[in-house]
Amino acid sequence: SQQGEEDPQALSIQEGENATMNCSYKTSINNLQWYRQNSGRGLVHLILIRSNEREKHSGRLRVTLDTSKKSSSLLITASRAADTASYFCATDEGAQKLVFGQGTRLTINP
Amino acid sequence: NAGVTQTPKFRVLKTGQSMTLLCAQDMNHEYMYWYRQDPGMGLRLIHYSVGEGTTAKGEVPDGYNVSRLKKQNFLLGLESAAPSQTSVYFCASSPTPAGEQYFGPGTRLTVT
Repeated sequence: SQQGEEDPQALSIQEGENATMNCSYKTSINNLQWYRQNSGRGLVHLILIRSNEREKHSGRLRVTLDTSKKSSSLLITASRAADTASYFCATDEGAQKLVFGQGTRLTINP
Repeated sequence: NAGVTQTPKFRVLKTGQSMTLLCAQDMNHEYMYWYRQDPGMGLRLIHYSVGEGTTAKGEVPDGYNVSRLKKQNFLLGLESAAPSQTSVYFCASSPTPAGEQYFGPGTRLTVT
């Protein structure tokens, strides 16, 4: 079962612009996480936001969570070429595992 | 710390052959996971383990078996490979259930 669904599937922006990706999920959660995957590599954890949190920051990343709408957004500010990657949200399903969405492919154009 | 390592990195199998993928982690994590990633499909959980000697089925377990005889190792076996198992396989570990996961670099498997 795919719990999280990202939108858009692909996003292309100019370097320096902000990038926003959205994730929707279906059932109640304890936490939601965002991961980055560079081409051909394993996923790297970016940020975890708990269900009782509404917003969290990490460097140029800002994550929001709206549990009433079952949605989250990831904002990358002042994008760089190195931000080109796929971004996945993941929600906890039960107590022991995560369910990943299909991802957003982000391309930063110089 | 090497983190999470996977062997082999690449493998080509013929239909019906068997193989074992090895995942090793040096972070003393209790929880370990095997995923497969297909184009446009995100990651799908195959099997997971909540501790040494335990295994459980994930979303797509058919055609795979796993073992966790030692805490640091999680093995994924394909007894009779099929072309539908062509994929990139990722192993991950976590210190907490459904918490931050640390991923290996992946194994690219092609079944002809």
